[in-house]
Amino acid sequence: QQKVQQSPESLTVSEGAMASLNCTFSDGTSNNFRWYRQHSAKGLEVLVSIFSDGEKEEGRFTAHLNRANLHVSLHIREPQPSDSAVYLCAVKGATGGNNKLTFGQGTVLSVIP
Amino acid sequence: ETAVFQTPNYHVTQVGNEVSFNCKQTLGHDTMYWYKQDSKKLLKIMFSYNNKQLIVNETVPRRFSPQSSDKAHLNLRIKSVEPEDSAVYLCASSYWVFNQDTQYFGPGTRLLVL
Repeated sequence: QQKVQQSPESLTVSEGAMASLNCTFSDGTSNNFRWYRQHSAKGLEVLVSIFSDGEKEEGRFTAHLNRANLHVSLHIREPQPSDSAVYLCAVKGATGGNNKLTFGQGTVLSVIP
Repeated sequence: ETAVFQTPNYHVTQVGNEVSFNCKQTLGHDTMYWYKQDSKKLLKIMFSYNNKQLIVNETVPRRFSPQSSDKAHLNLRIKSVEPEDSAVYLCASSYWVFNQDTQYFGPGTRLLVL
């Protein structure tokens, strides 16, 4: 069964400094990766979806995928206090019981002015 | 802009009661989902519906039952709630493009069982 782990559990950065979040997964056949953001008491907002190795940029958010290393990361350029939220990594396997979206436990990001 | 709508936002109830949560999507998607998010923010899928057919049931307790009248609606009923059912329940819908799907989430319904 797919296991998705995020690190760090929490991260505090200063406004304008790069924020980097990590996510590892266990199923090497996974082919669908995305990062969501969840502000307190709100739903999930999809930030970046990536389906092949390499880099995918959406505005200030860039995802890097390396399936050989079972790793996908999210980099936030010039973070702002409004980016303070929980960031969730989600991975979908290609086959069998992993053919569903499995979420990591989240990284709590705090951006201080 | 919200396109997946959930009601109610919050619900407080007592052990043993029955509750129902509603979800509606206006995106024209074929597949809808219910997720449970626990106090540690971990999301786990409960059900998914594709054209009114249940295609995933993640061994949730039998007191949970999804109900769909059409592909735009997927409600969740919980008979006889228990304290461990306290959580946020998130509804989502998805579409497929080039064999990949993207899920859009509603704001969630927060349930507290006393």
